[in-house]
This record gives sequence, structure tokens and C-alpha cells, in this order.
Amino acid sequence: SQQGEEDPQALSIQEGENATMNCSYKTSINNLQWYRQNSGRGLVHLILIRSNEREKHSGRLRVTLDTSKKSSSLLITASRAADTASYFCATVHLGSSGSRLTFGEGTQLTVNP
Amino acid sequence: DGGITQSPKYLFRKEGQNVTLSCEQNLNHDAMYWYRQDPGQGLRLIYYSQIVNDFQKGDIAEGYSVSREKKESFPLTVTSAQKNPTAFYLCASTPREGSQETQYFGPGTRLLVL
Repeated sequence: SQQGEEDPQALSIQEGENATMNCSYKTSINNLQWYRQNSGRGLVHLILIRSNEREKHSGRLRVTLDTSKKSSSLLITASRAADTASYFCATVHLGSSGSRLTFGEGTQLTVNP
Repeated sequence: DGGITQSPKYLFRKEGQNVTLSCEQNLNHDAMYWYRQDPGQGLRLIYYSQIVNDFQKGDIAEGYSVSREKKESFPLTVTSAQKNPTAFYLCASTPREGSQETQYFGPGTRLLVL
């Protein structure tokens, strides 16, 4: 399976702290994307990082990509209670058809007020 | 108001029954996807379509069928052959065939078996 793996499966922090989630994958990729899912809802795209990029920022989000280790991390700084959600990484693999994504199993983030 | 809509929000299936989940988008996107999500897990690809009148099986297509007669619509039928259909079903789309861009998701349909 090419499915990515997220680590940790669950993370509980206090408001204002930083949250770091990691993702590993098995085969070479074109790009890696992070999505957020609130309970019982659809996924919302957060950020996309291409295989030739090492770091990307968007507001309070920072994503890094290490293709040599086949891993990525998502950092959320100064977390808020509203950041409570599941976070998924998804990869587009080299040679895959179109924009087919392979999802990890997600990290459940709880931010306590 | 552009986006992807899925209906119904909840769907109940009796044993031996086929049910159809609706997915409509007014984003003018070429490619559409269906995923299944089980509790506490990630998404698994059921079927996808990169262009009208064409679709391909994903990783877990058995017991499901789709059609793509219009660009805007990509309905998913859960057949009686799918023995464990209880799950959360998500539809998504991307702008262009063959692109590697982000996917836009609908709000999902939760299917329950009576």
C-alpha cells in the first residue's frame, strides 16, 4: 500500500501552544497536501507542497517536506480551540493517474481552551 | 454560490437494496472522485472520473457503481453486493483532467444499514 502514515494518531494541547503532526509515505511523490476535517464534515484543503520544495508557510501553518526521508510535518502555531479537527496528509505519487490522492489515516488534534 | 453538494446527508439502506448517493458540482471541474471513510480512518478511493463518460476504479470499487453522463454530476450507487456499506461517503472534484491540484470536497453522506 502507498498509504501515508500520520503520527501521532491523537494530540491534545492547550490553547496557545504549537501543534506538530508528522506524515510519512512510501513511494516518490509529485506533491503532498494537508487537509483538515471537522467532525462529520467534508475535508478542507490547507496547503500543498511540491516535491522540489522544502518548506511552505500559510498564516499560522508551516509545512516541511523531506523527500530523502519520505516525510512531511505540519506545524500549527499559537493554536486555538477552533483548530480542533482531524488533519490528513495526502500524496500524489509519481506516475499516478491524474490527481489521484492517497490519504493517511489522520491525526486527531484537540485544542483545550 | 459555487461548490459541491451531496445529498442526502443521511441515508438508510435495507438489506439487498441498492441506494444512490448524489454529488453535484457547479465549479466547472473536469475530474470528480468518490471516497469512503470509516470511523477513525483516512479516505479510500472508490471510483474517479477525469472526463464525462469515462471513469476508473479506485482501490475499493467492488460493490459500487458510478456514472458520469454530465460534467456536473457523479452519482455513486452502493449495490447489494457491498456487504459492509456503513460509512461516511465523500465526493470531491479538481479543476482539470490530469492536474495534480487540490481537491474540493462536498459535505459528505453518512450511509447506515437498517
